[in-house]
Amino acid sequence: QQPVQSPQAVILREGEDAVINCSSSKALYSVHWYRQKHGEAPVFLMILLKGGEQKGHDKISASFNEKKQQSSLYLTASQLSYSGTYFCGTESRRVAAGNKLTFGGGTRVLVKP
Amino acid sequence: GAVVSQHPSWVICKSGTSVKIECRSLDFQATTMFWYRQFPKQSLMLMATSNEGSKATYEQGVEKDKFLINHASLTLSTLTVTSAHPEDSSFYICSAIPGWLAGGKDEQFFGPGTRLTVL
Repeated sequence: QQPVQSPQAVILREGEDAVINCSSSKALYSVHWYRQKHGEAPVFLMILLKGGEQKGHDKISASFNEKKQQSSLYLTASQLSYSGTYFCGTESRRVAAGNKLTFGGGTRVLVKP
Repeated sequence: GAVVSQHPSWVICKSGTSVKIECRSLDFQATTMFWYRQFPKQSLMLMATSNEGSKATYEQGVEKDKFLINHASLTLSTLTVTSAHPEDSSFYICSAIPGWLAGGKDEQFFGPGTRLTVL
């Protein structure tokens, strides 16, 4: 079952912050975040493997609440380059390395000058 | 970082013909590759999991006889859309997981995608 992302779209001014949520009805083993620009392949941002884990790259960070079965991606002091569609991919259980991901519907982010 | 290529990047074909799309891991060996299709402004929908040396595992609702997957080596997986129809027009993306990644991180490296248009 596909994880639910919210909001579906957000428009920001450069320098503003935004939060993207990813919720699953299943227990989660890991959450992966990707960003895709129009007509291009998704680009990996980060993986969260443990409940309570938080990670960051530049001014983009994420948290994983295992009990709530959800993850949040934080865009801080957004830059024009942050525009794109953000997808979360979830892994429900670990059978073996290389398990498939189920992707959410995506959140379109537009950062304006 | 690991690089995945796809060929061709776009293809236009007539209805009824077959189209082969290649996915290559350029600087690593990939024991597992995934094939996705993506319709405009929609999410990535997993079609199948391709494992080197064994049969692909297809997701529910994906016709295995229509979408033939061959993972002939640790660096190459191919998707053949047989007897293509206009409804098969989509953006097809592959991803690969390097065999050398340990610790269950399983980062998927995506190819640039192939846009298929069936007339």
